[in-house]
Amino acid sequence: GAGVSQSPSNKVTEKGKDVELRCDPISGHTALYWYRQSLGQGLEFLIYFQGNSAPDKSGLPSDRFSAERTGGSVSTLTIQRTQQEDSAVYLCASSRGTGLDTEAFFGQGTRLTVV
Amino acid sequence: AQSVTQPDIHITVSEGASLELRCNYSYGATPYLFWYVQSPGQGLQLLLKYFSGDTLVQGIKGFEAEFKRSQSSFNLRKPSVHWSDAAEYFCAVGPSGGSYIPTFGRGTSLIVHP
Repeated sequence: GAGVSQSPSNKVTEKGKDVELRCDPISGHTALYWYRQSLGQGLEFLIYFQGNSAPDKSGLPSDRFSAERTGGSVSTLTIQRTQQEDSAVYLCASSRGTGLDTEAFFGQGTRLTVV
Repeated sequence: AQSVTQPDIHITVSEGASLELRCNYSYGATPYLFWYVQSPGQGLQLLLKYFSGDTLVQGIKGFEAEFKRSQSSFNLRKPSVHWSDAAEYFCAVGPSGGSYIPTFGRGTSLIVHP
């Protein structure tokens, strides 16, 4: 596609429910990142996928968070048993991933509100 | 570990005034540096990037940034701000050896008065 696409754009869920957030990266981009943006907190790295390599999950805040990337393209971030502190904007980005100087292209984000 | 500091949470300028947003980084080698802009409700858009060579880099929308190794800084500048520049600005340091994950600062919110 022309850019990174995320869905839904907004999600309101009840505390304790599970949610799935979707990211469609730019076609041909091998690297995919998930970040979380909380109010006034900047961007917090969550997880990184590169091609067929094992993902870097070092940024996931708890075992309630998981992500997968099917066929090296679409990625889904799953949050189980959501808590109010999970409320944030979740941003996905992709890059060519072929060198250290490649820029990341961001989607518009999914705004998650846990009530 | 690499880190990025944006010391100003908010900056307020008048339309037409000059702008400088500060960014300091901590990095063990030659850094790859980026500035992104995020308009309300939007994702992040790359303004400019520095990898090597000329330390003054030009970006889109009339922005420029200067890499100063001695000060570990990569400040963003614009000579004359427009009301449409009101947004959140993020400085980032790119992947380092062994890690392909960019690190972002907390952001600076730019407010433009008419």
